[in-house]
Amino acid sequence: NAGVMQNPRHLVRRRGQEARLRCSPMKGHSHVYWYRQLPEEGLKFMVYLQKENIIDESGMPKERFSAEFPKEGPSILRIQQVVRGDSAAYFCASSPADRDLNSPLHFGNGTRLTVT
Amino acid sequence: QKEVEQNSGPLSVPEGAIASLNCTYSDRGSQSFFWYRQYSGKSPELIMFIYSNGDKEDGRFTAQLNKASQYVSLLIRDSQPSDSATYLCAVKYGGSQGNLIFGKGTKLSVKP
Repeated sequence: NAGVMQNPRHLVRRRGQEARLRCSPMKGHSHVYWYRQLPEEGLKFMVYLQKENIIDESGMPKERFSAEFPKEGPSILRIQQVVRGDSAAYFCASSPADRDLNSPLHFGNGTRLTVT
Repeated sequence: QKEVEQNSGPLSVPEGAIASLNCTYSDRGSQSFFWYRQYSGKSPELIMFIYSNGDKEDGRFTAQLNKASQYVSLLIRDSQPSDSATYLCAVKYGGSQGNLIFGKGTKLSVKP
């Protein structure tokens, strides 16, 4: 969905560096979902945020990963001290606050992280 | 552990044939079901969603849901080479906040 903007499209980091992935939701949307897709795998839910609040982080690794969605600006997925296993495509979707929870999610173009 | 299972394929069909993609899920409380298409290196795009038992048709695509058997399928009629992609089945489980559980996908190849 062209409305959800993610950047950068491609990100290369060396082991031990930090990766910061950004997601700007569609206009008027206040909720953001982050998913990760490892090579040859389906999408795995990571975290669901609304502005200034984490609603569900049950899919987030316990260490090195964090996410925020500030009152102003994009949502940020931050990965500290990256390892090769973090290499994946990271997708973001957004929704309005009054979204029907059974309605589909539409994804941005993703950020492809490569850890060397 | 809530799971969504798909045959990874590859599934190969000749152009013009019907492609049948299958998906099973583990939680009987599941409420809504989605099929996404993903071309290599691209983001998933929604093809269809279905909430009720039975069939739902949209153009060349038909989604079929059988909640008793915990089974959902996608039929693609008159398959075209441009349909060659990975098809992801996704399920929203009851009680979740709206996040989806995805299968690993089935790779479809339509041969001209």
